Amino acid sequence: EPEVTQTPSHQVTQMGQEVILRCVPISNHLYFYWYRQILGQKVEFLVSFYNNEISEKSEIFDDQFSVERPDGSNFTLKIRSTKLEDSAMYFCASRLQGGQPQHFGDGTRLSIL
Amino acid sequence: QQQVKQSPQSLIVQKGGISIINCAYENTAFDYFPWYQQFPGKGPALLIAIRPDVSEKKEGRFTISFNKSAKQFSLHIMDSQPGDSATYFCAAARSGAGSYQLTFGKGTKLSVIP
Repeated sequence: EPEVTQTPSHQVTQMGQEVILRCVPISNHLYFYWYRQILGQKVEFLVSFYNNEISEKSEIFDDQFSVERPDGSNFTLKIRSTKLEDSAMYFCASRLQGGQPQHFGDGTRLSIL
Repeated sequence: QQQVKQSPQSLIVQKGGISIINCAYENTAFDYFPWYQQFPGKGPALLIAIRPDVSEKKEGRFTISFNKSAKQFSLHIMDSQPGDSATYFCAAARSGAGSYQLTFGKGTKLSVIP
């Protein structure tokens, strides 16, 4: 069964550094998402992406965050200047179309020191 | 108004018993209600989903009950097995919003003991 793959599985970064989290969505999917889960808390929506542009974003997704689909297969989340509170599990998800469900990757654990 | 409230936070059930997890929402614009199962070190995996035009949906041992007037929905796991031990998240989305962004509950850690 096709799946969403995320790399790396764990990223450790110094505060203030830039970090890029990478995702390969399911190949024929059209909608792409980033969510995050701070340890012990619920999964929170960050941003959705469709037709090469952001379709919705939450208040968490401020100017420090950006997303990109640099080619036909990758979908990236960049955090420009990381803060301690950015430490979380980041999940990528993709969806085919219409009422089809979102499929999640196994996440990248981001640890900011 | 965007919140989805989930209870209980944790649940211990004997093997063969019924596990029941409840969720409530406030935003009446929500019209898609999935349940996700998450094992440690893995991402959420879709278990079952319901839309408000039906009051119940069953897939194998998993059933969603939906009460539109009360704005509540619940997951029932019949004949619970140790392999069902995981964290379960309810979620809600607005299909009309286009992106179907999911609003999650806080999760329920289910432990099924032999």
